[in-house]
Amino acid sequence: EDQVTQSPEALRLQEGESSSLNCSYTVSGLRGLFWYRQDPGKGPEFLFTLYSAGEEKEKERLKATLTKKESFLHITAPKPEDSATYLCAVQPLRDTPLVFGKGTRLSVIA
Amino acid sequence: DAMVIQNPRYQVTQFGKPVTLSCSQTLNHNVMYWYQQKSSQAPKLLFHYYDKDFNNEADTPDNFQSRRPNTSFCFLDIRSPGLGDAAMYLCATSSDSTSGSADTQYFGPGTRLTVL
Repeated sequence: EDQVTQSPEALRLQEGESSSLNCSYTVSGLRGLFWYRQDPGKGPEFLFTLYSAGEEKEKERLKATLTKKESFLHITAPKPEDSATYLCAVQPLRDTPLVFGKGTRLSVIA
Repeated sequence: DAMVIQNPRYQVTQFGKPVTLSCSQTLNHNVMYWYQQKSSQAPKLLFHYYDKDFNNEADTPDNFQSRRPNTSFCFLDIRSPGLGDAAMYLCATSSDSTSGSADTQYFGPGTRLTVL
């Protein structure tokens, strides 16, 4: 069975305190891995798509990396506005639905 | 800006009273999805359309139905809402490509359904 596991479930950081969120996966294939940000009461906002091991993508204070077993979302010098739930999802094969992790709830304290 | 739009943003209905949620998109994507998301849980796929081809997930209750009259619009009908159907309903779209790479799904803002 395809599974995506995110850790930690919740993370509390001081403003400026860099850290990483983990997304590990056991899937039948890897057509793509997605990171989304979700604010309370809103839909997920797309951040990154990663396709193959070794790939990295950056956007402002966020950097996503991918290995054969897991992905990391690195947050450098976070600000309070980075507080949100970060969702990881994998599409194993074409015509298969996304498999989501349960998310990491990030709080950044000023 | 191209986007996914959901209406209404908040919907209150009574137990057993049918409700319809709508989604429209200006991305010209051929694939549309409906997800249900309950508090602190991951989104759960209910249906998706490849163009007009309807795909129902195996565990989607019969109480839920969907319509896609054209490329831009998709509707979610809940025939007899129960208390357990209170959730955020998310619409998403993607452009199905024949390449070997996955296609990113773009989500709308969601409709929060309350069942009284």
